[in-house]
Amino acid sequence: EAGVAQSPRYKIIEKRQSVAFWCNPISGHATLYWYQQILGQGPKLLIQFQNNGVVDDSQLPKDRFSAERLKGVDSTLKIQPAKLEDSAVYLCASSSTGDSYNEQFFGPGTRLTVL
Amino acid sequence: EDQVTQSPEALRLQEGESSSLNCSYTVSGLRGLFWYRQDPGKGPEFLFTLYSAGEEKEKERLKATLTKKESFLHITAPKPEDSATYLCAVQDATSGTYKYIFGTGTRLKVLA
Repeated sequence: EAGVAQSPRYKIIEKRQSVAFWCNPISGHATLYWYQQILGQGPKLLIQFQNNGVVDDSQLPKDRFSAERLKGVDSTLKIQPAKLEDSAVYLCASSSTGDSYNEQFFGPGTRLTVL
Repeated sequence: EDQVTQSPEALRLQEGESSSLNCSYTVSGLRGLFWYRQDPGKGPEFLFTLYSAGEEKEKERLKATLTKKESFLHITAPKPEDSATYLCAVQDATSGTYKYIFGTGTRLKVLA
């Protein structure tokens, strides 16, 4: 079974620039999550999708962050404009349903550095 | 407010030296408590799910236990390959979205 794919693996940008991350979840997984993990901290949920719909985006800074999930499969997370404090690893995860009885499978993450 | 606290922040063990990691939590109603392992440069990898106080799960040298206020991850006779960051997460039963709340993790280093 192929795992969660993310790209790019690394990205360096200047502040005020824009950036986009891509995620391809495990085939058949209905639920997709985007997390932000700042160095030395645990992952923080940014947004959760169930198929095409947004289930929870309460911690997404909507003035600069946006996300979409096309046709209930792939997803992109965008930051525009980026700030220094956005430097972090952005993790994508998927699960077969949104129920807690299904573990989350994580991708390798995208490490973003904002200069 | 839901909260997850892990201790210690970092732990160095000699190979074979058993120890325990702690995860204390505050949630309105626990739906599940999860342990993940994270290696440098990788995403977290699922280890265990615990649902109710008194429950225990084992996998190789790892054993996870749960009480009403905390969970322990016991590592018996660790090996260098057990070196990683161990993350604990909880889901609040009163949260309609069942989102995970992660702790900051314990960085474990096992010396040969």
